[in-house]
Amino acid sequence: SVLTQPPSASGTPGQRVTISCSGGGSNVGSNTVNWYQQLPGTAPKFLIYSDNQRSFGVPDRFSGSKSGTSASLAISGLQSDDEAHYYCSTWDDSLNGVVFGGGTKLTVL
Amino acid sequence: QLVESGGGLVKPGGSRRLSCEASGFSFRDYSMNWVRQAPGKGLEWVASISSSGTYIYYIDSVKGRFTISTDNAKTSLFLQMDSLRAEDTAVYYCARELELGAFDVWGQGTMVTVSS
Repeated sequence: SVLTQPPSASGTPGQRVTISCSGGGSNVGSNTVNWYQQLPGTAPKFLIYSDNQRSFGVPDRFSGSKSGTSASLAISGLQSDDEAHYYCSTWDDSLNGVVFGGGTKLTVL
Repeated sequence: QLVESGGGLVKPGGSRRLSCEASGFSFRDYSMNWVRQAPGKGLEWVASISSSGTYIYYIDSVKGRFTISTDNAKTSLFLQMDSLRAEDTAVYYCARELELGAFDVWGQGTMVTVSS
């Protein structure tokens, strides 16, 4: 994938976890980053857009940030139903298309 | 809300036309996209069409084989898929674009299997 995410992350209930998304100058470095949550067998859910704006109805436990060519999704007060795959995405100026990270499987221990 | 249809089993080299019907909003106001997910794999953007239909983009792997379009009434989105390959096997989602590259509304997906 053009954007690099760790394949897995984990945490215990109540803990704070972060998921990274690394790209380059033509994508993360030049355009805003979005985040999605996907539960097994369901369509992706829109979480964060414009680097750090929460979509309607998304709890403030979820937050996004970006610095240079790297972005992060932070989840605080981890809950069991946060267990899902998380994907970052952005536009790539060189490819003239949207690129996604490979996804991170979050496990709540 | 977005509802996809048209998925199914197709032989390699065959064609399939996917549809996505919108309710509650008009395509005239949004760019629309197709995103796919191969079994057990991550998300992959496939194609986009601007609200006016002027700007159309495709991922390199489908250029010349897939065509994205909307109907004149701007209530349905289509993906015409020709010369299908085994690697096109995936769940295909249509998605509304809130702003560049940000997909805020997704359909439930339709499965396309390319196999002999």
